[in-house]
Amino acid sequence: GQSLEQPSEVTAVEGAIVQINCTYQTSGFYGLSWYQQHDGGAPTFLSYNALDGLEETGRFSSFLSRSDSYGYLLLQELQMKDSASYFCAVSNDYKLSFGAGTTVTVRA
Amino acid sequence: DTGVSQDPRHKITKRGQNVTFRCDPISEHNRLYWYRQTLGQGPEFLTYFQNEAQLEKSRLLSDRFSAERPKGSFSTLEIQRTEQGDSAMYLCASSSTLGLERETQYFGPGTRLLVL
Repeated sequence: GQSLEQPSEVTAVEGAIVQINCTYQTSGFYGLSWYQQHDGGAPTFLSYNALDGLEETGRFSSFLSRSDSYGYLLLQELQMKDSASYFCAVSNDYKLSFGAGTTVTVRA
Repeated sequence: DTGVSQDPRHKITKRGQNVTFRCDPISEHNRLYWYRQTLGQGPEFLTYFQNEAQLEKSRLLSDRFSAERPKGSFSTLEIQRTEQGDSAMYLCASSSTLGLERETQYFGPGTRLLVL
């Protein structure tokens, strides 16, 4: 089976940088994905890491270390619209197994 | 590309009734997934289809649950004899098996079910 751990909540001010860590245990691993979900909304894809290292997409970056079963999502230049839940998810080809999510609250 | 759509968006039913939800995936996507999400938790995998074939069902999917994708396009999820514990958001997602897109699942807005 799969288990993922990520912090439940993070609060930061506009313009700040937030790092959301994710550790996982899994029996099958293709890669680590990150999804964003606003209240009442659908999860939306942010990034995917199959190999070790950093992937950058605009203000968001994601990192993976397969040997440490660890990844993180980095949110830079925080904006109010970034207030949402962020989920890491382990992919084993077709199936995503999600963590419980991290609620990010951005304060003015 | 209009995205993944789900119908209805909300459903209130009484315990013991049957309910059916529909999902229309992105048209060129051959994989379709159903997830369930409860408050404060991440989505939990229920089942997935590649074209019309249902290739895996989670142990979460009791025999009261059935899913179909008859022509490899839209899918339905039926819950028979609903229980209060079935109250949740039911999410549908789709993906392609081509290239890097295979790692991206596109989610619909979900159907929020409340069983009274």
